[in-house]
Amino acid sequence: AQSVTQLDSQVPVFEEAPVELRCNYSSSVSVYLFWYVQYPNQGLQLLLKYLSGSTLVKGINGFEAEFNKSQTSFHLRKPSVHISDTAEYFCAVSLSGYSTLTFGKGTMLLVSP
Amino acid sequence: SQTIHQWPATLVQPVGSPLSLECTVEGTSNPNLYWYRQAAGRGLQLLFYSVGIGQISSEVPQNLSASRPQDRQFILSSKKLLLSDSGFYLCAWSSDRGNIQYFGAGTRLSVL
Repeated sequence: AQSVTQLDSQVPVFEEAPVELRCNYSSSVSVYLFWYVQYPNQGLQLLLKYLSGSTLVKGINGFEAEFNKSQTSFHLRKPSVHISDTAEYFCAVSLSGYSTLTFGKGTMLLVSP
Repeated sequence: SQTIHQWPATLVQPVGSPLSLECTVEGTSNPNLYWYRQAAGRGLQLLFYSVGIGQISSEVPQNLSASRPQDRQFILSSKKLLLSDSGFYLCAWSSDRGNIQYFGAGTRLSVL
């Protein structure tokens, strides 16, 4: 079975600083990878996805992620964060051909002025 | 365009009372449907998913059940709530061929 590890439960950063949220997965077969964002008391919104093709994927709100198969990672990055990026971020994986997702425990991004 | 609706947004229920949470999807047919529970610091736990009317797969044994009486309707139920059922419940859908899941706004359930 696949699993997802988000190494940081909380990441505090200052506004306009760069940020990287780490995600590692384990699977013996091909996977699809996702990042979702959750604002307080709201549902999850898809930030970006990797299904195939280019390993660098760009998403909404200036975020991007890079799929690294050898390191089984899918880290999320943004070059300059805003206060409004404060939210919880979830990495998720699904097996190719299956629709169910396995989520990491989430990383709370805290952006301060 | 497709939309997903969940209600109620918040719910406070006493221990031992029944539960019914509803989720409906518009703008698509034959979606895959999912119920997740989110507890503080524990991420999202898949509870049930359905690939068609009357077809329910349970991921974890618990005090809850799910039903899909119509193509775009997914219901989460319990006969008797426990304190441990408190949490944030999220419904999601995906196309029958897709891996991308789209989430509703969630229901905050407090069992007291």
